Amino acid sequence: EDQVTQSPEALRLQEGESSSLNCSYTVSGLRGLFWYRQDPGKGPEFLFTLYSAGEEKEKERLKATLTKKESFLHITAPKPEDSATYLCAVRGSGGSNYKLTFGKGTLLTVNP
Amino acid sequence: SAVISQKPSRDICQRGTSLTIQCQVDSQVTMMFWYRQQPGQSLTLIATANQGSEATYESGFVIDKFPISRPNLTFSTLTVSNMSPEDSSIYLCSASGTSAYNEQFFGPGTRLTVL
Repeated sequence: EDQVTQSPEALRLQEGESSSLNCSYTVSGLRGLFWYRQDPGKGPEFLFTLYSAGEEKEKERLKATLTKKESFLHITAPKPEDSATYLCAVRGSGGSNYKLTFGKGTLLTVNP
Repeated sequence: SAVISQKPSRDICQRGTSLTIQCQVDSQVTMMFWYRQQPGQSLTLIATANQGSEATYESGFVIDKFPISRPNLTFSTLTVSNMSPEDSSIYLCSASGTSAYNEQFFGPGTRLTVL
């Protein structure tokens, strides 16, 4: 069974203070690791997909990296508008071809 | 990316009643899914809504409790039947393309409270 563990559960940063969120996973046959952002009262918003170890993707202040066991979401010089819950999910080759297994998320708060 | 809308956005229901949630996608998509997000828990897949055939349910979810329809490539419904307070949750619809490697795009969710 695919499993995803995200840490920390909550992270509070000052504006401009860079940090990283962790997503550890176990999956049989990775078919993608996905990062989403979720604002209160809204559905998850897609950020990145990573497919193989060593892959990196960037979008504005966010950079996602992938190893064989974990992914990091690096946030550089965050702003208050980056405050949200960040979700990590994996899709494996076992079971349903399309099923995403999610972690519980990291609640990020960026103070001005 | 697909734009997904859900109705209703929220509802408060009485125990023993049923609620049908609608999901509309702005373009034809191959795959549609229904998730549940309970407080403090991760998003959990309920079922894959298959067009023209019965939905595929994940372990722990059954058709009698969560009947799903998908009459075409842009629309699906999820019914939460014979509700109890334990069904209070956010229900989310998502959609993706054909490939198993595609990302999924989510609707805004339906917040259900059962009294």
